[in-house]
Amino acid sequence: EAGVAQSPRYKIIEKRQSVAFWCNPISGHATLYWYQQILGQGPKLLIQFQNNGVVDDSQLPKDRFSAERLKGVDSTLKIQPAKLEDSAVYLCASSLTGVYGEAFFGQGTRLTVV
Amino acid sequence: TQLLEQSPQFLSIQEGENLTVYCNSSSVFSSLQWYRQEPGEGPVLLVTVVTGGEVKKLKRLTFQFGDARKDSSLHITAAQPGDTGLYLCAGEMGSGNTGKLIFGQGTTLQVKP
Repeated sequence: EAGVAQSPRYKIIEKRQSVAFWCNPISGHATLYWYQQILGQGPKLLIQFQNNGVVDDSQLPKDRFSAERLKGVDSTLKIQPAKLEDSAVYLCASSLTGVYGEAFFGQGTRLTVV
Repeated sequence: TQLLEQSPQFLSIQEGENLTVYCNSSSVFSSLQWYRQEPGEGPVLLVTVVTGGEVKKLKRLTFQFGDARKDSSLHITAAQPGDTGLYLCAGEMGSGNTGKLIFGQGTTLQVKP
């Protein structure tokens, strides 16, 4: 079974530039999460999708971050414009509906804003 | 405000020692998971506990879910260098279908040979 795919693995941008991350979840997984992880800390939930609908985006900085999940499969997370404090690893995870919280994670995208 | 508090945040021990990591909250969770994360990788699920008071064993790892489903512990017996990594607890709030998965801040474990 293929895992969660994310790209790119690494990205370096200047502040005020824009960036986009892509995620392809495990086939059949209806729930998709985007997390932000600062080095050495636990992941912070940014947004959760159930199919192509948003379940929770209460911690998404909506003035600069946006996310979409078209057709309930792939998802993209965008930051525009980026700030220095956005430097982090962005993790995508997916899970089966009805299975208690067992999320499968991609390798993440390490973003550095300079 | 951190919903899930993990302690300790850092742990450095010698090979062969035992250790316990705690995950505490004032909130009730429908389930709780433990993950392990290595540098440059995403977290990998170790175990899910659902029932209050539940105990699960995975080789040298023992996981316990509190009776009130608000806290959990991870105990490692005879730690090995391969156990080194970031250990994360995650609580699921809400229903099992659309539950929101919230992580603790993690415990960094270093096991020295």
